[in-house]
Amino acid sequence: GNSVTQMEGPVTLSEEAFLTINCTYTATGYPSLFWYVQYPGEGLQLLLKATKADDKGSNKGFEATYRKETTSFHLEKGSVQVSDSAVYFCALNTNAGKSTFGDGTTLTVKP
Amino acid sequence: DTGVSQNPRHKITKRGQNVTFRCDPISEHNRLYWYRQTLGQGPEFLTYFQNEAQLEKSRLLSDRFSAERPKGSFSTLEIQRTEQGDSAMYLCASSQGSDSNQPQHFGDGTRLSIL
Repeated sequence: GNSVTQMEGPVTLSEEAFLTINCTYTATGYPSLFWYVQYPGEGLQLLLKATKADDKGSNKGFEATYRKETTSFHLEKGSVQVSDSAVYFCALNTNAGKSTFGDGTTLTVKP
Repeated sequence: DTGVSQNPRHKITKRGQNVTFRCDPISEHNRLYWYRQTLGQGPEFLTYFQNEAQLEKSRLLSDRFSAERPKGSFSTLEIQRTEQGDSAMYLCASSQGSDSNQPQHFGDGTRLSIL
């Protein structure tokens, strides 16, 4: 079956530090890959996506590249802000459209 | 775009009672999904609809769980004879089309607590 493995958290960084959250996946076929973010007290919302190999998704300074050869979709940001503190979920969609999620990584950014 | 709406936000009930949750998706979205999320884990797929048809159910969805989407718009998720292990956040999401590249739009969830 499909599965997503995320880097375990929590992750604590100082403001302006570089962020990487690792995500690897196992899937049949060619899934689309997503990062969702959940801010405190809010629902999940899409951060970025990539739908085929070598695509790079980007939004709000975050980036992730679909790497088929390593089955990875690592999330990066060059300079984090306090407002980036949230839980980040890596997910994949199969042809059926339903999503398989990782367990989430909690990021705390300190001023 | 008014977003996905879920009601109630919180539900506290005694073990053995029945509960029903409602989800109103984004109006033009034909797909609707239910997930369950427990603390420290990601959402787990329960079931999904395309219009009014229920196309897939997870093995997590025991016979105490039933979901409907009678007119292809809002959906309800009912849990009968609730158990302690049913305590979780129940998330609803919707999307348009059937392509795997469509992201899902999530509601804020219904938190169920079983006493």
